[in-house]
Amino acid sequence: ETGVTQSPTHLIKTRGQQVTLRCSSQSGHNTVSWYQQALGQGPQFIFQYYREEENGRGNFPPRFSGLQFPNYSSELNVNALELDDSALYLCASRPLPGRTGELFFGEGSRLTVL
Amino acid sequence: SQQGEEDPQALSIQEGENATMNCSYKTSINNLQWYRQNSGRGLVHLILIRSNEREKHSGRLRVTLDTSKKSSSLLITASRAADTASYFCATVAGGGAQKLVFGQGTRLTINP
Repeated sequence: ETGVTQSPTHLIKTRGQQVTLRCSSQSGHNTVSWYQQALGQGPQFIFQYYREEENGRGNFPPRFSGLQFPNYSSELNVNALELDDSALYLCASRPLPGRTGELFFGEGSRLTVL
Repeated sequence: SQQGEEDPQALSIQEGENATMNCSYKTSINNLQWYRQNSGRGLVHLILIRSNEREKHSGRLRVTLDTSKKSSSLLITASRAADTASYFCATVAGGGAQKLVFGQGTRLTINP
């Protein structure tokens, strides 16, 4: 049990639609990052938020955006969905930025784009 | 893009045997971590080894790191059916974002 919860667990969208995925971190975990994991692949870093500001981004287009809230919750928004966006989206948190320790992952949200 | 490669991509052994998985990476690192994932669910942290360490143990897990060869190995001793999962190595290069860069994983199956 990592203390990180994600919703929804599964969802189906059609191409061109928009989706919002949600994550709730442990109290005190003020750094949250999002990863995309395609089937059969390792997770890929999308971006990281610290104190409600984005402080790192992977190779993802601007239609992937995020928000972090003071209550340790966060959102991943994806606009103009494409078929290749079908994947497991993982939220992960850690207590402090700058520490190089472990990440605590949620169970993920599996997105299918038709 | 993935940082490196894991070898083998799939491994099937009998319960009680030892399982060894290897990971190679491309750039300088601050630390390397191993994670476990059951059947497309969330990842669970197993062990972290820093760039100035060569070997680390945690229960039935043994991790080695060779920074000159940019490689690491994970050994699981006395395997159990419950060890069946995918195992990923992930590197941290340092810098502000502290992002993890994952390999493609090894799918481990333990046969009873």
